[in-house]
Amino acid sequence: AQRVTQPEKLLSVFKGAPVELKCNYSYSGSPELFWYVQYSRQRLQLLLRHISRESIKGFTADLNKGETSFHLKKPFAQEEDSAMYYCALSPLTGGFKTIFGAGTRLFVKA
Amino acid sequence: DTAVSQTPKYLVTQMGNDKSIKCEQNLGHDTMYWYKQDSKKFLKIMFSYNNKELIINETVPNRFSPKSPDKAHLNLHINSLELGDSAVYFCASSQDLGRHYGYTFGSGTRLTVV
Repeated sequence: AQRVTQPEKLLSVFKGAPVELKCNYSYSGSPELFWYVQYSRQRLQLLLRHISRESIKGFTADLNKGETSFHLKKPFAQEEDSAMYYCALSPLTGGFKTIFGAGTRLFVKA
Repeated sequence: DTAVSQTPKYLVTQMGNDKSIKCEQNLGHDTMYWYKQDSKKFLKIMFSYNNKELIINETVPNRFSPKSPDKAHLNLHINSLELGDSAVYFCASSQDLGRHYGYTFGSGTRLTVV
């Protein structure tokens, strides 16, 4: 069964500190992984996707197939990074339902 | 030039009423979705249409009925509203079933049932 687990509901860090938002997945086939961000009372926006291997707003995420993880990282957190972050999995084969994790609220303190 | 637009943005209504939420996308995407975000911010898929055909229909009460007149529109009608229906409803669209490019979301409709 498809599953996306974000173990932390809330993550609080100081400005300038490194941040890592954890995401683990369970899927028997070949997945595509995404991170979405939702700033306060705004729409969800696609932050980055594994396939493009990009860095957006200083965030990166590496797919580790051995550990089935797709953690989101940023070396120096900024106050404007405070938001809700969702990890999502989309099957590349054998289905088309994208599954979202429960989300992690990141709070960056001044 | 909004890509996925939902109306209304806010909806406050009494229990037992019937209401509709509209969604339109101008991205040329083939697939549209309705998601429900509860008070704990958990996102749950409700429905998905691909080229006007229903392809995802999760365990949702029959009071919820989606309608897709064309691939650019996906509306959600809710009958006999209940307190538990209070949530934020997000519309989204994607190309290639969201496999490679992810979803584009609307700004959400905050439904409050009193």
